[in-house]
Amino acid sequence: DQQVKQNSPSLSVQEGRISILNCDYTNSMFDYFLWYKKYPAEGPTFLISISSIKDKNEDGRFTVFLNKSAKHLSLHIVPSQPGDSAVYFCAASGGSNYKLTFGKGTLLTVNP
Amino acid sequence: GAGVSQTPSNKVTEKGKYVELRCDPISGHTALYWYRQSLGQGPEFLIYFQGTGAADDSGLPNDRFFAVRPEGSVSTLKIQRTERGDSAVYLCASSQMAGANVLTFGAGSRLTVL
Repeated sequence: DQQVKQNSPSLSVQEGRISILNCDYTNSMFDYFLWYKKYPAEGPTFLISISSIKDKNEDGRFTVFLNKSAKHLSLHIVPSQPGDSAVYFCAASGGSNYKLTFGKGTLLTVNP
Repeated sequence: GAGVSQTPSNKVTEKGKYVELRCDPISGHTALYWYRQSLGQGPEFLIYFQGTGAADDSGLPNDRFFAVRPEGSVSTLKIQRTERGDSAVYLCASSQMAGANVLTFGAGSRLTVL
């Protein structure tokens, strides 16, 4: 039973365009959501997060949108750069906070 | 240290052998976590330490897996009688305080059981 789903295993975009990565969740107890970025042979690196009391959080080129009624969040990267090429994991926590539930990840490739 | 350090980075062992994986968290971080990432999957929670004690070990798959953090800093994940299905990347993370949502991960220890 996958509580956090990233239905697109991969995404390819052109440099300078927008990248949109999607994530759906099923557990209504989740109240905090995070995106992690992972390069090969490295650990996941925190990118951006959002609390369930907000519907948008922005940090530079990265914006996360949360739609609680649809149990859906998305990460927008504008403009995309080749260095953004990595696997992006959506993660969620709730209640206890410390335990993160991750999706399977989406491999983003930004072509020069 | 500057980041979370994990050793070994790669471990190849034979089925049935015993394995230890070490994690050195960021200095001063009281909370430490172990996650496991199998091929094609996201990281899955194994165990959480607050200080020296295991506050939540509900993610450990069975009693072949055990973890310790005797002095509240370095942690060791121990796997007995390894099986091929244990092959995965074992990720350690730490955070400054209990209940923190944002974890800092190490690069992981890749375990291959032949």
